[in-house]
Amino acid sequence: GQSLEQPSEVTAVEGAIVQINCTYQTSGFYGLSWYQQHDGGAPTFLSYNALDGLEETGRFSSFLSRSDSYGYLLLQELQMKDSASYFCAVRASGSARQLTFGSGTQLTVLP
Amino acid sequence: DADVTQTPRNRITKTGKRIMLECSQTKGHDRMYWYRQDPGLGLRLIYYSFDVKDINKGEISDGYSVSRQAQAKFSLSLESAIPNQTALYFCATSDFGSLGQETQYFGPGTRLLVL
Repeated sequence: GQSLEQPSEVTAVEGAIVQINCTYQTSGFYGLSWYQQHDGGAPTFLSYNALDGLEETGRFSSFLSRSDSYGYLLLQELQMKDSASYFCAVRASGSARQLTFGSGTQLTVLP
Repeated sequence: DADVTQTPRNRITKTGKRIMLECSQTKGHDRMYWYRQDPGLGLRLIYYSFDVKDINKGEISDGYSVSRQAQAKFSLSLESAIPNQTALYFCATSDFGSLGQETQYFGPGTRLLVL
């Protein structure tokens, strides 16, 4: 099976940089994804890493280290609207290959 | 118009009642999913379908059933609702990018309260 660990809460101030970590255990691995969810709304896709290294998309970056079974989401120039829950998700190999989600990190951005 | 829609958006029912949550998508995706979300537990997979004739149980399928009526429609039923099925339910579809990345597209969710 798969399991993922991420911090339950992170707090930062507007304009700052915050890093949300995710460690995973899985039998086989295809990639690590990140999703954002505002206040119980629909989760939305942010990024995906299949290979080691950093992927940048605007203010958001995501990093993966396959050897360490570890990744993180980096949010720069934080804005109030970034207050949300962030989920990492791993896609494992095998016949099913469905996503398994972490329990989420609630990010609160303070003025 | 939303690509993935869910009805109803909110539902209150009583223990023992049978209810159905419906999901429709206009994205043309073959893969569809039902998740439930409880506070602090993230998204847990109930059932998933890779096409109309392919339905699979997820992590927490007990007490639920599904029907894939067409490529665009995937319904979730609670045969006899119980209070611990009170949760936020999401339907999702997915596709794959050029790098093999699976992107899931979620509906707005259905808030279910079982009394």
